[in-house]
Amino acid sequence: LAKTTQPISMDSYEGQEVNITCSHNNIATNDYITWYQQFPSQGPRFIIQGYKTKVTNEVASLFIPADRKSSTLSLPRVSLSDTAVYYCLVGPGWDSNYQLIWGAGTKLIIKP
Amino acid sequence: DVKVTQSSRYLVKRTGEKVFLECVQDMDHENMFWYRQDPGLGLRLIYFSYDVKMKEKGDIPEGYSVSREKKERFSLILESASTNQTSMYLCASSSHQGGQTVEYFGPGTRLTVT
Repeated sequence: LAKTTQPISMDSYEGQEVNITCSHNNIATNDYITWYQQFPSQGPRFIIQGYKTKVTNEVASLFIPADRKSSTLSLPRVSLSDTAVYYCLVGPGWDSNYQLIWGAGTKLIIKP
Repeated sequence: DVKVTQSSRYLVKRTGEKVFLECVQDMDHENMFWYRQDPGLGLRLIYFSYDVKMKEKGDIPEGYSVSREKKERFSLILESASTNQTSMYLCASSSHQGGQTVEYFGPGTRLTVT
């Protein structure tokens, strides 16, 4: 089971781009990389998922280098409402019986 | 939109009581999960189910049981609540999306055992 390592906390300022990097040295061939966001007293919410290279959606971008041993979540022009805990997970995409392993996440604090 | 609902947002129970936490999803997902979340410990998997009447232990099943009689409903049972089971309980369901597994979470139940 691939484990992930990410910073415990980060802070930034409104309007800045924030990059959170996650290490997953033991990622397997069939593993996808998924990021979730969690606000206090709420369940985690899916942000973005990728397998290789770059993925972009309306809220974030995900950069995955060729060796896939790390990934970087990029949040463009953050606002105070982006203050949350961000989780990086790796897991197989096509084994429906496989559960994901959740680390402690990165607590992101955005300052005015 | 996928919707996962949990029966209560907040619950206070006494030590020794039997506690039922209900979770319902409306997207016909095969897989359902129960986690607990405690400060500094992240999400820990209690039980999961990949089909009706099927269940698998997660990382911390002791003191808990589950029931899945219908595909859309997954119940977590605390047979005899203890103070160390005071926690936030999160239910999730998952689906495949073109080979990618994504978990969808309910709002959580904050359980306090006194």
